[in-house]
Amino acid sequence: EVQLVESGGDLVQPGGSLRLSCTASGFTFSNYDMHWVRQAAGKGLEWVSTINVAGDTYYRGSVKGRFTISRENAKNSLFLQMNSLRAGDTAVYYCARGSSSYYYMDVWGKGTTVIVSS
Amino acid sequence: DIVMTQSPDSLAVSLGERATINCKSSQTVLYSSNNKNYLAWYQQKPGQPPKLLIYWASIRQSGVPDRFSGSGSGTDFTLTISSLQAEDVAVYYCQQYYTIPPTFGQGTEVDIK
Repeated sequence: EVQLVESGGDLVQPGGSLRLSCTASGFTFSNYDMHWVRQAAGKGLEWVSTINVAGDTYYRGSVKGRFTISRENAKNSLFLQMNSLRAGDTAVYYCARGSSSYYYMDVWGKGTTVIVSS
Repeated sequence: DIVMTQSPDSLAVSLGERATINCKSSQTVLYSSNNKNYLAWYQQKPGQPPKLLIYWASIRQSGVPDRFSGSGSGTDFTLTISSLQAEDVAVYYCQQYYTIPPTFGQGTEVDIK
């Protein structure tokens, strides 16, 4: 079964850091682009970052310079290092698999919750 | 960034009736070199992650019931549920993947009348 499982979400103070992880199973992880998408409570979906199979990375403007996406293919794992966190980063963060190098997402994890609050 | 605007924000439809959701992009998402529309639709039920329904504007993802269909081209797109079932109650999002950043519509909530 194709599966993505996120972890690492927590309550953190403004200015703090957090590292999210996503573990993949049921498919050849190294062959797929991977994405992080977030959703604030009661709000819509917002793309955060992408890492492609070549290791190239892309970020939305509001997180550029604060967030770092990475992957470890040997461990079928995707990461999101989040620094200088702000209240506006509070959301459920989903890990999602990209389809065929196009930026639509055909497999999603259940998400991990990040709350930035003092 | 390409702005995706969905209409309506919510709709209530009787069981077995048709539900239609519109999605408009601020610029074309039709790539002329391959004549493909870079547009996807997702369904999100309460407490669940999104689920891919449609990609390339009209291709149903494997396992998606054929009562779901997508149409449109360029800047104007439609998701149609031909005969609404109780399990279709959800929020539906369109997404363009023509450019980075990929962007989503604000969502359309579908409920039973």
